[in-house]
Amino acid sequence: QVQLVQSGAEVKKPGSSVKVSCKASGGTFSSYAISWVRQAPGQGLEWMGGIIPIFGTANYAQKFQGRVTITADESTSTAYMELSSLRSEDTAVYYCARVGRRMVQGVISYYFDYWGQGTLVTVSS
Amino acid sequence: EIVLTQSPGTLSLSPGERATLSCRASQSVSSSYLAWYQQKPGQAPRLLIYGASSRATGIPDRFSGSGSGTDFTLTISRLEPEDFAVYYCQQYGSSLLFTFGPGTKVDIK
Repeated sequence: QVQLVQSGAEVKKPGSSVKVSCKASGGTFSSYAISWVRQAPGQGLEWMGGIIPIFGTANYAQKFQGRVTITADESTSTAYMELSSLRSEDTAVYYCARVGRRMVQGVISYYFDYWGQGTLVTVSS
Repeated sequence: EIVLTQSPGTLSLSPGERATLSCRASQSVSSSYLAWYQQKPGQAPRLLIYGASSRATGIPDRFSGSGSGTDFTLTISRLEPEDFAVYYCQQYGSSLLFTFGPGTKVDIK
């Protein structure tokens, strides 16, 4: 059974950076993409970006370009999301999720089949 | 960038009733690229439907998905007490880019 375990809650000052980890177990880490999603208090889900560990290449939502860096360490089956220049609006629960895939009607379907438990990041002076 | 709109924002229903949730895309989306998630307070989202109509592992058959092009629907045939939650649709773009809809809250009438 695939499990994604995230690092603990963080409290950060405005202007600083935070790095959240996501350790995978029970599956083949390298060949599945990992995505990061955040959820501000009382708000919806917001996709931030993702990485395919075996290639090491990351894609980011335009909103976070230049401020987020997603990396992966195949040796420890761990993905990381670093967000810089933090502001109060970045206060949110940050989730990692595995991008599952299956052929549907001759096309590969992608979806988030396993999720981490979430990491609360609070940005406050 | 494709924008997803969900309606209604809130759906107030009683247990046993049928729930119909809508997800509309700003441009055509391959049905293979449309998924639905359920989220309860304090929990991570859970995958319900992928490929617009395929149920994920362990999802009861009262949940069904349909649609194509720009209009997709999640139907819960008979609401159980544990189904009151927020539901999100999601679409996959190219190069592993994803977007979520704003969500529909299904609450108890």
